[in-house]
Amino acid sequence: DAGVIQSPRHEVTEMGQEVTLRCKPISGHNSLFWYRQTMMRGLELLIYFNNNVPIDDSGMPEDRFSAKMPNASFSTLKIQPSEPRDSAVYFCASRRGTSGTDTQYFGPGTRLTVL
Amino acid sequence: KNEVEQSPQNLTAQEGEFITINCSYSVGISALHWLQQHPGGGIVSLFMLSSGKKKHGRLIATINIQEKHSSLHITASHPRDSAVYICAVHMDSNYQLIWGAGTKLIIKP
Repeated sequence: DAGVIQSPRHEVTEMGQEVTLRCKPISGHNSLFWYRQTMMRGLELLIYFNNNVPIDDSGMPEDRFSAKMPNASFSTLKIQPSEPRDSAVYFCASRRGTSGTDTQYFGPGTRLTVL
Repeated sequence: KNEVEQSPQNLTAQEGEFITINCSYSVGISALHWLQQHPGGGIVSLFMLSSGKKKHGRLIATINIQEKHSSLHITASHPRDSAVYICAVHMDSNYQLIWGAGTKLIIKP
């Protein structure tokens, strides 16, 4: 299995531009997570999907952030408009079940720099 | 007070030394995870524990539910073990992971 796939791996953009991050979870996994990692705040959960349905988006910073999961094999995280404070590494993770005891598998992350 | 605390924050050791990283938590949990993040940024799940002890190669993880404490041990440490090690817990009946701040480990040759 290829693992969780994220694209792009690196993104540099200018303030005000729209940014779209993509994630392909491991086939057969029912749960998908988007995280943001910064030096100041560590890893933060942004949103959690279960069977393609957003369960909790309380971690999404503000209306500029949106996430979709149109099918079981694809999810996007969009930032519009982007701001310098959005610079971070964004991780996608997937999990086979819905139990807290199941392992989450992380993608390699997308390093976003907003100038 | 953070719900998950790791110690030490930073650890530098010589190749071959036995390494211990500690994780304490203050909430009821259903599982505890140890993850490794290499300098390149990728995060890898090492262990998921709900009780007892697990071993994988030179890595050993233990958990004491009563004391709300877990340890990650590395035997015969090697420079390639240099990474940030993160403890994360699943609260009872909750999908979320609560993360520790991580322990940055450097193994010198």
